[in-house]
Amino acid sequence: RKEVEQDPGPFNVPEGATVAFNCTYSNSASQSFFWYRQDCRKEPKLLMSVYSSGNEDGRFTAQLNRASQYISLLIRDSKLSDSATYLCVASRANFYNNNDMRFGAGTRLTVKP
Amino acid sequence: NAGVTQTPKFQVLKTGQSMTLQCAQDMNHEYMSWYRQDPGMGLRLIHYSVGAGITDQGEVPNGYNVSRSTTEDFPLRLLSAAPSQTSVYFCASSYSNRMNTEAFFGQGTRLTVV
Repeated sequence: RKEVEQDPGPFNVPEGATVAFNCTYSNSASQSFFWYRQDCRKEPKLLMSVYSSGNEDGRFTAQLNRASQYISLLIRDSKLSDSATYLCVASRANFYNNNDMRFGAGTRLTVKP
Repeated sequence: NAGVTQTPKFQVLKTGQSMTLQCAQDMNHEYMSWYRQDPGMGLRLIHYSVGAGITDQGEVPNGYNVSRSTTEDFPLRLLSAAPSQTSVYFCASSYSNRMNTEAFFGQGTRLTVV
């Protein structure tokens, strides 16, 4: 079982829709959480960090529930340019490194006109 | 801004051949890592390094070697390529002594082993 699990999708939504992605992590020692975005045949890039209090960046809202070990990403008013794969990341500290990142397999989103 | 630079972008190898994937970063990051990405599997950590002279294994290290002689460079060596190593390889770098720190990725190397 992967340490970070995501629904692979694909999610096909019309422009303007609201879409939510969910992610669970199994290692309770995880301390930092992120959503990365990956466009087709490109490298992953940070979309946003996820904090316990929840955080928002424009149309994007991320939530963390430590008790349930659950992370979510909400995209409002979807744009064509939001079409991408969204990677959930849980990070934990080890002896050497405060940023040992574990990635989910990604959720693919296609926004259609 | 160069960031993380990987070479080559594409490579085809025959089974049994060896090669080195190059990775360089100019952000003075302590931490560098190599991932492979396969369909349905996500990014899996191969090897990582927290500084010059220090490397360690990740989730899927078999068949790969690394070294870190400088802060900037972190090459990945395939000793004897196998078809199971066909994948997209990403190098990443970040600060290692901070929480919530962003990882920066290279553009990837698409490797096919025939």
